[in-house]
Amino acid sequence: DQQVKQNSPSLSVQEGRISILNCDYTNSMFDYFLWYKKYPAEGPTFLISISSIKDKNEDGRFTVFLNKSAKHLSLHIVPSQPGDSAVYFCAAQSNFGNEKLTFGTGTRLTIIP
Amino acid sequence: KAGVTQTPRYLIKTRGQQVTLSCSPISGHRSVSWYQQTPGQGLQFLFEYFSETQRNKGNFPGRFSGRQFSNSRSEMNVSTLELGDSALYLCASRLGTGNTIYFGEGSWLTVV
Repeated sequence: DQQVKQNSPSLSVQEGRISILNCDYTNSMFDYFLWYKKYPAEGPTFLISISSIKDKNEDGRFTVFLNKSAKHLSLHIVPSQPGDSAVYFCAAQSNFGNEKLTFGTGTRLTIIP
Repeated sequence: KAGVTQTPRYLIKTRGQQVTLSCSPISGHRSVSWYQQTPGQGLQFLFEYFSETQRNKGNFPGRFSGRQFSNSRSEMNVSTLELGDSALYLCASRLGTGNTIYFGEGSWLTVV
C-alpha cells in the first residue's frame, strides 16, 4: 500500500525554466512533509519541509506547496539549473515530524542545458 | 560539522552469511534510524533508535536487527543473508524526535 505517491517517474525541464514535482498522499495522519534530493550512490539530501499548518514554504529557489484537502504537495524549483538534475523524493511523517519517514518512489529530474 | 558517516561503503557477502553495518550520527544527534533502498521497493524504514532504545520498527523480518550505543553510534545486523537483501542501506540521524532527518551516504550491500 503506497501511502505516498509520485506518479511521474521522470521529468525533463529546460534550464532556467520552472520545475514542478508532484506528490500525493493517502494517509490523513501525515502532518509533516519533506523533499529530499538524491544523486546516484549517495544518501538523500534534505531540501525543504512543510508542516500541515502551512500551505507554502519557500527557501531560495525552492518552494513547497501543500493542499491538505487534495492531499497533494508540490515542489517548485525556479529557475532550474543543471545541478538540480537528480532524483527527488517526497516524504511524509505523522505526529509533526516525530515518526518515521514514509517515502514516495521518486521522480528523476533532468535539466536540459 | 561532520555529517552522518557509514561504514563500510561497499561490501559483498554470500547468501547465508551475516553482515554488520556501522553508523556514526552527526555530533549531538541522539536519534539514529535505518532505511533500505531497493529498485523494487524504494526507500523503506527499518528501525529507529533514540538514547539506546528502539522507538520504532518497520515491517522487516527478525533477521534485521540493530542497536545503539551510549555515544549514539549505531549498528545494524542482517543474519542469514538472502539475495533480496542486496540494497543500499542508509543511516540517518536527527537531534531528537520532531527534528529534520539527515542521511549518510549509505552502505551498498551485494549478496551473491
